[in-house]
Amino acid sequence: DGGITQSPKYLFRKEGQNVTLSCEQNLNHDAMYWYRQDPGQGLRLIYYSQIVNDFQKGDIAEGYSVSREKKESFPLTVTSAQKNPTAFYLCASSISSGGEAFFGQGTRLTVV
Amino acid sequence: GENVEQHPSTLSVQEGDSAVIKCTYSDSASNYFPWYKQELGKRPQLIIDIRSNVGEKKDQRIAVTLNKTAKHFSLHITETQPEDSAVYFCAASIASSNTGKLIFGQGTTLQVKP
Repeated sequence: DGGITQSPKYLFRKEGQNVTLSCEQNLNHDAMYWYRQDPGQGLRLIYYSQIVNDFQKGDIAEGYSVSREKKESFPLTVTSAQKNPTAFYLCASSISSGGEAFFGQGTRLTVV
Repeated sequence: GENVEQHPSTLSVQEGDSAVIKCTYSDSASNYFPWYKQELGKRPQLIIDIRSNVGEKKDQRIAVTLNKTAKHFSLHITETQPEDSAVYFCAASIASSNTGKLIFGQGTTLQVKP
């Protein structure tokens, strides 16, 4: 099932702490994406990467950072600057930019 | 940048009826329009997609239509079944471009009543 794996499934963070969400894919896809899902707001794009060592901001990048050092990996760091980090985070990948996206199972982040 | 609007936000139908979900997009350069289904607690999964060189595509009970002039595309589900109950998302992108990225609509919660 998948080929794109997110971990952990559930994550709790104290206010003021940074936290990193993992996303790994073995589909040999060039493009990878991070989305945030909140009730009634659909999937909002945080960051995306079309190739190793390159990434672009999406619509809601403030308070987040990413890296793309390997083709297979696209970790997302939720920093203390993100004012409302509690959400469901989905990672996705596609063969080419903007094509069919395959999603991971998601990470539910809760700030306590 | 691209903006995708999706309506309605919720849709309730009787089993066996048809359901239609509509989306509009803003970037006329968009050329790829997928639809995803997300069941409760699960990841979104692609159910059908259409490219800009095609006006309609059908897969069993599911069809998608595209009007490029009006920048509208729609999902049609016929003979709905309770297992069709889920959240449906439309999306648009400029596939295979240097700036290609999928932008999603807000989602439609479909409830099929037995």
